[in-house]
Amino acid sequence: AQSVTQLDSQVPVFEEAPVELRCNYSSSVSVYLFWYVQYPNQGLQLLLKYLSGSTLVESINGFEAEFNKSQTSFHLRKPSVHISDTAEYFCAISNFGNEKLTFGTGTRLTIIP
Amino acid sequence: NAGVTQTPKFQVLKTGQSMTLQCAQDMNHEYMSWYRQDPGMGLRLIHYSVGAGITDQGEVPNGYNVSRSTTEDFPLRLLSAAPSQTSVYFCATRLDYEQYFGPGTRLTVT
Repeated sequence: AQSVTQLDSQVPVFEEAPVELRCNYSSSVSVYLFWYVQYPNQGLQLLLKYLSGSTLVESINGFEAEFNKSQTSFHLRKPSVHISDTAEYFCAISNFGNEKLTFGTGTRLTIIP
Repeated sequence: NAGVTQTPKFQVLKTGQSMTLQCAQDMNHEYMSWYRQDPGMGLRLIHYSVGAGITDQGEVPNGYNVSRSTTEDFPLRLLSAAPSQTSVYFCATRLDYEQYFGPGTRLTVT
């Protein structure tokens, strides 16, 4: 069995401040890791993914996440947030060769002007 | 290219009624799935399909049926709605480990 833990259900951050959204996972086999973003009243969109190679992955809108195998973590960071980053963020994993995703419970990021 | 479409966007049912949530895709992806999203619980997999004619159960399949007669369509059926099925339902396709989600259907069962 595998699981994903997002430790913070809500994170309020002032505009232009840095943010880190935490994600830890548990799996007995190697995994692929993902962050999805859900803007208000919309479906989920892929933000970034780690499949192999460099453990630091980046998105086109300034987010980055680092895969840490020893700590089984995949935390999401952004050095300076904007109002438009207000959304719910979901961490997810899947096993090699298994197409099913296991999601965390989500972190709601609120940007304070 | 519409991607993944879902109908209806909103639905209110009475306990015991049946209905079908529609999902269609125009990306020719083999893998399709249904999730439900509930506050504080993230997304949970209901059913999935790896191709036309092939379906399987996910994490929370009870009370739901699916079929996959074509690559494009993957309807989700509620045979006898219950208040516990009040949720937001998302259909998704998948290609190369990336999932593509529809806009969702918000279902309320009274």
